[in-house]
This record gives sequence, C-alpha cells and structure tokens, in this order.
Amino acid sequence: AQKVTQAQTEISVVEKEDVTLDCVYETRDTTYYLFWYKQPPSGELVFLIRRNSFDEQNEISGRYSWNFQKSTSSFNFTITASQVVDSAVYFCALSEERDDKIIFGKGTRLHILP
Amino acid sequence: KAGVTQTPRYLIKTRGQQVTLSCSPISGHRSVSWYQQTPGQGLQFLFEYFSETQRNKGNFPGRFSGRQFSNSRSEMNVSTLELGDSALYLCASSSSGTPAENTEAFFGQGTRLTVV
Repeated sequence: AQKVTQAQTEISVVEKEDVTLDCVYETRDTTYYLFWYKQPPSGELVFLIRRNSFDEQNEISGRYSWNFQKSTSSFNFTITASQVVDSAVYFCALSEERDDKIIFGKGTRLHILP
Repeated sequence: KAGVTQTPRYLIKTRGQQVTLSCSPISGHRSVSWYQQTPGQGLQFLFEYFSETQRNKGNFPGRFSGRQFSNSRSEMNVSTLELGDSALYLCASSSSGTPAENTEAFFGQGTRLTVV
C-alpha cells in the first residue's frame, strides 16, 4: 500500500538557519513519483518538485535542495539560509504509475522566526 | 494563463443540506482531481475525472460525488452534509492525467466548507 510519512509535525528555526524536512514513503511499485508541495496561509498548494523513481540525482534549486535515496525510501527537503517567507506547511507526496491519485503525507508546519 | 479556479471560496451550510463546489481547470487540462483537507486526516484524495469519466475514486462514502463537463470544468457534490464534512476542498488540474506524463498538478485555492 502507498504511504507517506512526515514524522516532523512542526519545526521552528531562526531565520538564516538551514532546515531539513524529512519524508519517508512506502510503495510496492517500481515506477513512482515523489512530490513536494508548499501550502502558504492562503491555502493553495504550490508545486515545488517532482521526482520519478528512476532518477536518484539530488536536485538544487536556489536555496532549496532535495535528497532522494531509494535505499532508505526517503525524499528529504532542505532549505538553506531560511527566510521568514518560507514559513508554510510543506507536504511530501507519492503517486504510482498505475494510479493517478496523489497520496500526501500529513505535512510539516515550518515556522521561520525573525 | 489563468490558474485553477474554485468557487465559491467560502461556504457555510447546515447539517443535512447538500452542496455543490465548482472547479475550472487550466485551459487545455483534461484531468481534474479533488482532495479533502482536514486537520485530523490531512489531505485525502476524493476522485479524479478525465475527459468526463471518473477514473479513480478514494475511500469516501457515496454522499460524495462529482462530474466533469465537456469543457473539463468539474463539480463536486456532497449530499446530506455532516459536521465532519467541514474541510478545505482542493481541486487540482493536470494536462493528461497520468503521473508518467504530467510534470505537476496545479492546485486551486480551495473552497472552505463549514457545516454547522
């Protein structure tokens, strides 16, 4: 069965610190897709990244980076030099090739303190 | 390019009533998915429509239904509302509907439904 676990319910860090959001997933499929979404207070989900199961290369986009490790079924997200505007709820999600639905983790609420 | 539009943004209904929520996907997108977000259960998949056909359905009771029109706009209906149906309902649109072909799903701002 598909499952996404975000063990960190809430994290608070001081601005400019680095922070890593953990994500562990479960799937029986060999082809699957992993996502991270950001949900600011306004409510809409903002797409951050999509990774397919055959691409384990780490990705960096500005202050954001993602570490995908199939051996540990993890897809962690790091924000470097955090800013107050990064404060939001972050969701890790999984979709299998045979299925169109996206399974979300419970989310991690990130507070960046000035 | 306009984003995903959900109407209304906020809604208050009474237990036992029924409600219809609307979602207009990005122009050219044929897949629309609906999700329910509550503090307790998080984000849960309701159903997905592609070219007017329901392709996938989550584990929700039959009171939750939907449909998609030929212009890809979708509606979601909840009958006999219960207090537990209070939630943020999010709609997502994507181009072709399969994760293998999509690079991302675009979400609307949601409809916040309160049942009193």
